[in-house]
Amino acid sequence: GAGVSQSPRYKVAKRGQDVALRCDPISGHVSLFWYQQALGQGPEFLTYFQNEAQLDKSGLPSDRFFAERPEGSVSTLKIQRTQQEDSAVYLCASSLDVGMDTEAFFGQGTRLTVV
Amino acid sequence: RKEVEQDPGPFNVPEGATVAFNCTYSNSASQSFFWYRQDCRKEPKLLMSVYSSGNEDGRFTAQLNRASQYISLLIRDSKLSDSATYLCVVTNYNQGGKLIFGQGTELSVKP
Repeated sequence: GAGVSQSPRYKVAKRGQDVALRCDPISGHVSLFWYQQALGQGPEFLTYFQNEAQLDKSGLPSDRFFAERPEGSVSTLKIQRTQQEDSAVYLCASSLDVGMDTEAFFGQGTRLTVV
Repeated sequence: RKEVEQDPGPFNVPEGATVAFNCTYSNSASQSFFWYRQDCRKEPKLLMSVYSSGNEDGRFTAQLNRASQYISLLIRDSKLSDSATYLCVVTNYNQGGKLIFGQGTELSVKP
């Protein structure tokens, strides 16, 4: 596809359930970012990959959150034992590389609702 | 204190108005600056980069003041289609180039 693709678009999870969110970046993009966006707020950084290497996971809110990008393309964000405060839109972005004015392209996000 | 702070919204303006958004950032090591636009229930999209010399793209003008750590966006002759949330964004490539977003300012342009 031409853009960043995320699936599922919507996910309803029961509290305590594990979820996995998928991101297909633009082909050839080296950098991949995950963000969490709560209603009425700007996106908050979660984690960053350069190819398969997770270089920054400082934004992951707890050890229930785990991300991987094993082959340097598709990435999965996993949330274990979901809590209501995890309800948010999870955005994935990719960019060709890291550098001045390198544009990051966002997927449409996965809207997670924990009930 | 958040690393990037924006004017609280929403801004409600009539068509044709000029509207200005302000943003401050706290990390003096920030290297690149952007304005993103986010429509309701959509993903953020790059509107324009911001340079110290100031830059203009049609009705949109962005300014950066590194000394004051202040970024602005001016929209002239606003259109109904400008209604969206405008996100101020900074990045530091020594930190991997992650984008740090402000909370966003909602703009509503009315007929």
